[in-house]
Parts: sequence; structure tokens; C-alpha cells
Amino acid sequence: DAKTTQPPSMDCAEGRAANLPCNHSTISGNEYVYWYRQIHSQGPQYIIHGLKNNETNEMASLIITEDRKSSTLILPHATLRDTAVYYCIARNTGNQFYFGTGTSLTVIP
Amino acid sequence: ETGVTQTPRHLVMGMTNKKSLKCEQHLGHNAMYWYKQSAKKPLELMFVYNFKEQTENNSVPSRFSPECPNSSHLFLHLHTLQPEDSALYLCASSQDGTLSYEQYFGPGTRLTVT
Repeated sequence: DAKTTQPPSMDCAEGRAANLPCNHSTISGNEYVYWYRQIHSQGPQYIIHGLKNNETNEMASLIITEDRKSSTLILPHATLRDTAVYYCIARNTGNQFYFGTGTSLTVIP
Repeated sequence: ETGVTQTPRHLVMGMTNKKSLKCEQHLGHNAMYWYKQSAKKPLELMFVYNFKEQTENNSVPSRFSPECPNSSHLFLHLHTLQPEDSALYLCASSQDGTLSYEQYFGPGTRLTVT
């Protein structure tokens, strides 16, 4: 699986959009990009995943660059409950998830 | 609620004790997983069961023994653990362990070995 690189921490004002970047420059054509988050001492929560096209669901939007070497997770209106560690994972079909150290997002009132 | 439950939520055990962690999923999934998360470390995959068959064991010490009696239940039997085994143990399930399905996690069991 491709290695992903994320900033260790970010802050975001409550009510503003949180844009979390992820670099996966070595991603291969059949690797999906997944995003999970983990609120302190809880199990990780699935957010969204995509292959080539941008994706949106009730939680977030995923923007994948045309060359697929990077992506951005967007939380459109961050709330205090979105404070968590966010993991970006590039995963090949049949392989398991490698979570890495993620980005610790703090939403500030 | 993710549809994956774990019991107990907290466990303190001595190094000579034997205990078991239980996981149950109500999602109709066919794959179940055990992960370990030590303080300030990434999640480590321990075991994978797909259709009740163990398909992965990531070099886990034999003092951890998994059991999967059916697709809905997964156990982790613990014996003669070490203090460094203290961690958050997470169970997850997915539709199928071999395809690109997302995993759903339980709340975890916080284990302390004294």
C-alpha cells in the first residue's frame, strides 16, 4: 500500500470549513483513498473513501487531485464534536488498513 | 452506534490471570478483526477472520489467542500477559475481508496489565 503523509495537527474555528490534506504521491492505480477519524479513546469511525472522482456524503467531501497524488478531506461546517485524529489511508483491494499517526484536528470555539 | 459491541469496556488483570475479550457485530458482515492501539502509537492489526477462517496473524505472541465461533462473534483470549500489553483493543468488522469494504469499529476494551 502507498505511504500517506499528513500534518500532525491542525486547528479550525467552529463553523468554518476544515480542510485536511493528505499526500499519497506513490499511490497506484487500484488503491483507494480512505478517511477515518478517531475521537479520543473510541474506535475509529469511517468517514468516506474514493478512487478517482470526488465524493460527498453526509459527513464530508473528499477531493482527489487529477494525478491522484494528494487528496483533501473537507468538513464543511466544523463543530466541537469534530475534534479528533483523522487518518488518511491508501489501500489496495485485498490488503489491510494501515492507519499511521494521522492529523489531530482541534475545533476551536 | 456502529453495530459493533465490545465487552468489557475496561479490564484490569494481573500477569497470571486468564481473561477474554468479546466482540459482537450486528451488521451481517463476514469479516472481523482485532487491533491493538498502544499509547501514542498507530493501530496495529493483530488478527483477521474472514468467513470464520483466520486469514491473518500479524506475528502476535501466543499469549493472545483469538476465537471466531461464527461470523457475528469474535473473542480474544488472554493469558500470562505482560505490562506492555496494556492498550486499547479494538474489534472491527467489514462486509468481506478481501474486498475494498470499509471497516466498522467497536468502542474498544481498555486493558491494563498489572
